[in-house]
Amino acid sequence: EPEVTQTPSHQVTQMGQEVILRCVPISNHLYFYWYRQILGQKVEFLVSFYNNEISEKSEIFDDQFSVERPDGSNFTLKIRSTKLEDSAMYFCATNRDRGLYEQYFGPGTRLTVT
Amino acid sequence: SQQGEEDPQALSIQEGENATMNCSYKTSINNLQWYRQNSGRGLVHLILIRSNEREKHSGRLRVTLDTSKKSSSLLITASRAADTASYFCATDGGNNRLAFGKGNQVVVIP
Repeated sequence: EPEVTQTPSHQVTQMGQEVILRCVPISNHLYFYWYRQILGQKVEFLVSFYNNEISEKSEIFDDQFSVERPDGSNFTLKIRSTKLEDSAMYFCATNRDRGLYEQYFGPGTRLTVT
Repeated sequence: SQQGEEDPQALSIQEGENATMNCSYKTSINNLQWYRQNSGRGLVHLILIRSNEREKHSGRLRVTLDTSKKSSSLLITASRAADTASYFCATDGGNNRLAFGKGNQVVVIP
């Protein structure tokens, strides 16, 4: 069964550094998402992406975050200048179409900011 | 904003028993989805129920949706040790922005 993959599985970075988290969506999926889960807390929506542009973003997704699909396959989340509070699991998700389709989640990248 | 909210509980049951967990939400939805998460792992989609559906089955899973009460329940029948996980409901208002609840921890004792 096709699946969403994410790299790296674990990223450790120092505060203030830039990180790029990568996701390979399921091939015929058109909508892409990033979510995060701080340890012990809810999964929170960050951003949705369709047709090479952001569809919607949450209040968490401020100017230090950006997303792109540079080569038509990878979908990336960049955090420009990491903060301690950015430490979390970051999940990529994709689905085929809007509305009534489930989102398929990747295994996540654990980001630790020290 | 929409918000899925499970009754926060840790459920511990014997293998073979049924496990039921509930979820309530606050605004109108297009669909509601249930996910499972094993410790430290990704989210696995279990089942999606549309706002015009009242009940849905998938294998040992049964989901109900009551839009008048803004609530849903997930029933796992004949539980197995492998069902040990956290279970989350997530609501979708039609914009594909999933709003997750806090999750229910289910432990199935062999």
